Amino acid sequence: GAVVSQHPSWVICKSGTSVKIECRSLDFQATTMFWYRQFPKQSLMLMATSNEGSKATYEQGVEKDKFLINHASLTLSTLTVTSAHPEDSSFYICSVGDTYNEQFFGPGTRLTVL
Amino acid sequence: AQTVTQSQPEMSVQEAETVTLSCTYDTSESDYYLFWYKQPPSRQMILVIRQEAYKQQNATENRFSVNFQKAAKSFSLKISDSQLGDAAMYFCAYIDLLPDGAGKSTFGDGTTLTVKP
Repeated sequence: GAVVSQHPSWVICKSGTSVKIECRSLDFQATTMFWYRQFPKQSLMLMATSNEGSKATYEQGVEKDKFLINHASLTLSTLTVTSAHPEDSSFYICSVGDTYNEQFFGPGTRLTVL
Repeated sequence: AQTVTQSQPEMSVQEAETVTLSCTYDTSESDYYLFWYKQPPSRQMILVIRQEAYKQQNATENRFSVNFQKAAKSFSLKISDSQLGDAAMYFCAYIDLLPDGAGKSTFGDGTTLTVKP
C-alpha cells in the first residue's frame, strides 16, 4: 500500500498564528487525499477531500477560510490552519485514496494552540 | 447519508481468547467497501481487514475474520487467539464504491479493546 508521511508530527503555536501541515504520498501518485480531525478517544471526522489541481471539497460545518487546503501535486497536500485558536487544538490526519477505494493514513499531526 | 455504529465503546479479552467487535451501518447503496482499522497508542491508523459488499464470502486475515451480513447491514470483527499487541482502538469504516477510487469514508465511534495477560 501507499506510504504516507506528515510533517510536522507535533506543532505548538500561539493563538492567532497560522500553521501549515504537509501530507506527502511517498510512493503513490495521489489524485485524492483526505483530511481528518480527531479529538482524544473519539472518531475520525472527515474535514475535506483534496483533489489534485482543483479546489478541495469541504464537509458541512468545516470553515473553508479557516482550514485552507492545497493539493498542488500528486504527492503533496497541505492543510493550513489560519488564525489558530485553542479550540483548533486537535490531532489532524491525512490519508491517500487508491484506485481500490482503500485509504492509507499518515501518522498524524498533533496541533496545540496556546 | 451513511452512518456507522459501534455499540461497544470498550471491550476486554483475556490473552489467547476470542473477542468479537460489533458494527452496523446504514446505506442505500448496494456496492461499497467496509473496513476495520486499528489505532494503537501511536495513533497510526492500520488496516486490519476489508470486505467488498458484492462478495458473499467473509474476509479473513490470519487471526482476524469478519461476519458480514449484508441484509442486516452488520459487519463484526472476530479476533482469535488475542495477543497483547491487539490492544488498541478499533474503528469500523464504510466507503462508497466509486470508479475512480475517490470514495470518502464514514467511521464509527470506535471500540477500545483491552487485552488482559
